[in-house]
Amino acid sequence: GENVEQHPSTLSVQEGDSAVIKCTYSDSASNYFPWYKQELGKGPQLIIDIRSNVGEKKDQRIAVTLNKTAKHFSLHITETQPEDSAVYFCAAPPGSARQLTFGSGTQLTVLP
Amino acid sequence: ETGVTQSPTHLIKTRGQQVTLRCSSQSGHNTVSWYQQALGQGPQFIFQYYREEENGRGNFPPRFSGLQFPNYSSELNVNALELDDSALYLCASSDAGTGGRGPQYFGPGTRLTVT
Repeated sequence: GENVEQHPSTLSVQEGDSAVIKCTYSDSASNYFPWYKQELGKGPQLIIDIRSNVGEKKDQRIAVTLNKTAKHFSLHITETQPEDSAVYFCAAPPGSARQLTFGSGTQLTVLP
Repeated sequence: ETGVTQSPTHLIKTRGQQVTLRCSSQSGHNTVSWYQQALGQGPQFIFQYYREEENGRGNFPPRFSGLQFPNYSSELNVNALELDDSALYLCASSDAGTGGRGPQYFGPGTRLTVT
């Protein structure tokens, strides 16, 4: 089955700085990689995703990069704001399966 | 376009009891997946329903069962509740054309506490 590892588990940055969260996956057949943001007491919110035929995708202050050879993908948040503070999860579907395997999460704190 | 909704928001049950959680999928989505999220952990896949049939199952015992209805809404049933079943239960809807290999949109979850 798929194994997704996520680092770091906690990350504190000053407002305006950049934040980077990294994930590695084990199943080379995985071809879709979403990132979710989860605020306290809420369900995960899809913030960006990338497919294996693309190396990078951007959406305003958020970007995701994918290295299929190394089997890792990263979330980049620029110009961080206090409202970016939340738990972020990466995920990947194992091979041909339809479910998502999630990483263990990163608690991001943006200090004002 | 309506998002994914779940009910109830919170539930307290006693060990050994049974519980039913409900989910309405996002408009236009015909696939529903259920996840269990223990405190401080990522969501764990329970099972997925497509066209009223179970379409994949994670490492959960048979006392976790589900249903999908013709309007694509879904139920998660858990029998013989155990203390370790205390968690946030999340429902996610998606388009069958992408299944797990495309966007899954989550509801707010049901917080289940077993005492």
